[in-house]
Amino acid sequence: EVQLVESGGGLVQPGTSLRLSCAASGFTFSSHWMHWVRQAPGKGLVWVSRISSDVSITSYADSVKGRFTISRDNAKNTLYLQMNSLRAEDTAVYYCARSSAVFDYWGQGTLVTVSS
Amino acid sequence: DIVMTQSPDSLAVSLGERATINCKSSQSVLDSSNNKNCLAWYQQKPGQPPKLLISWASTRESGVPDRFSGSGSGTDFTLTISSLQAEDVAVYYCQQYYGTPLTFGGGAKVEIK
Repeated sequence: EVQLVESGGGLVQPGTSLRLSCAASGFTFSSHWMHWVRQAPGKGLVWVSRISSDVSITSYADSVKGRFTISRDNAKNTLYLQMNSLRAEDTAVYYCARSSAVFDYWGQGTLVTVSS
Repeated sequence: DIVMTQSPDSLAVSLGERATINCKSSQSVLDSSNNKNCLAWYQQKPGQPPKLLISWASTRESGVPDRFSGSGSGTDFTLTISSLQAEDVAVYYCQQYYGTPLTFGGGAKVEIK
């Protein structure tokens, strides 16, 4: 059974940093591109970032470019999102998602709240 | 960026009746290499992550009831629920995966009338 479990969310102050993790199991992690998608409270889905299966390609939404860094450890079956210089508008549930072209499996999400 | 526009924002449909959600992309999402439209539909129930329903505009995922169907090509797409059931109450999103950034529509909330 494919499982994606996010962790690392919480309440942080503006300007600070946070690192999210997504532990994957039930599939060959190293064979799949992985993504982060976020959803602000009561709002829609917004793609944040992606990383190729072999780590060679990363992409970011303009809203997080230069502040967020996606990475993965294929030996540990874990995806990461390093978030720096956090802003109030980064407040959201962050989902990790596996892709096989589309987002075919999603984690339950972890809530990040940026507030003073 | 490819902008995805869904309509309506919400709809209330009687049990057993048809629900139709539209999705329009700001440019074609037809992949000429395989002649497939890079368009997916997701269902999100309250407190849950999204669930993939349909990929390539019309390919239903395994386990998805056949009352869900997708159609369209190029820039105009439709998700149809042929006979609405109580468990279909949710927000539905379209998403293009033709180019980055990957983009979603704003969502369509389906309720029971």
